[in-house]
Amino acid sequence: DQQVKQNSPSLSVQEGRISILNCDYTNSMFDYFLWYKKYPAEGPTFLISISSIKDKNEDGRFTVFLNKSAKHLSLHIVPSQPGDSAVYFCAAPGKGNQFYFGTGTSLTVIP
Amino acid sequence: EPEVTQTPSHQVTQMGQEVILRCVPISNHLYFYWYRQILGQKVEFLVSFYNNEISEKSEIFDDQFSVERPDGSNFTLKIRSTKLEDSAMYFCASVLTGQYNEQFFGPGTRLTVL
Repeated sequence: DQQVKQNSPSLSVQEGRISILNCDYTNSMFDYFLWYKKYPAEGPTFLISISSIKDKNEDGRFTVFLNKSAKHLSLHIVPSQPGDSAVYFCAAPGKGNQFYFGTGTSLTVIP
Repeated sequence: EPEVTQTPSHQVTQMGQEVILRCVPISNHLYFYWYRQILGQKVEFLVSFYNNEISEKSEIFDDQFSVERPDGSNFTLKIRSTKLEDSAMYFCASVLTGQYNEQFFGPGTRLTVL
């Protein structure tokens, strides 16, 4: 029962270029989405969110785009920095505010 | 900045033993959660807790698992009789209130069952 999917397990990007991380979901009832970043040996930390009433939310170098008809969201990081190297999870809250997480995409930013 | 803390950072136990994983959520938060992540897999929801009772639990959260908030600050996850497949990172999270607040996660406890 994979309600949130991240089909790319890894991504490598040159420093200064754009990183695009993708996420798909199956539950059309989801109306809020979050991106979390996770470093090794640490818990996930909140990065950015988007409500389904919007199709874009921007915070500094991070922008999340939502395409509700395609049930797809993406996280853009511009410009990418070596410190952005981490695992990125998209998540959506369901019943009881439990979060459904994707499997994560490991981003490596090459200096 | 307030943070969620978890102890221990790493727990090694023998199969069949009981373990208790401890969490101290952010003090004014009202909702508490346990998640786990088996190595190489996704973060999976286990249980949510509000107003001193379980509000949701997943299929993973069977009779071997229990949660407790014994003293108003700690939030514990007990696994009664550990199995090899319980080996995972266990994350505690808390949220202030409502559905549209991001959850704050602790650093996790790595549980290794031998």
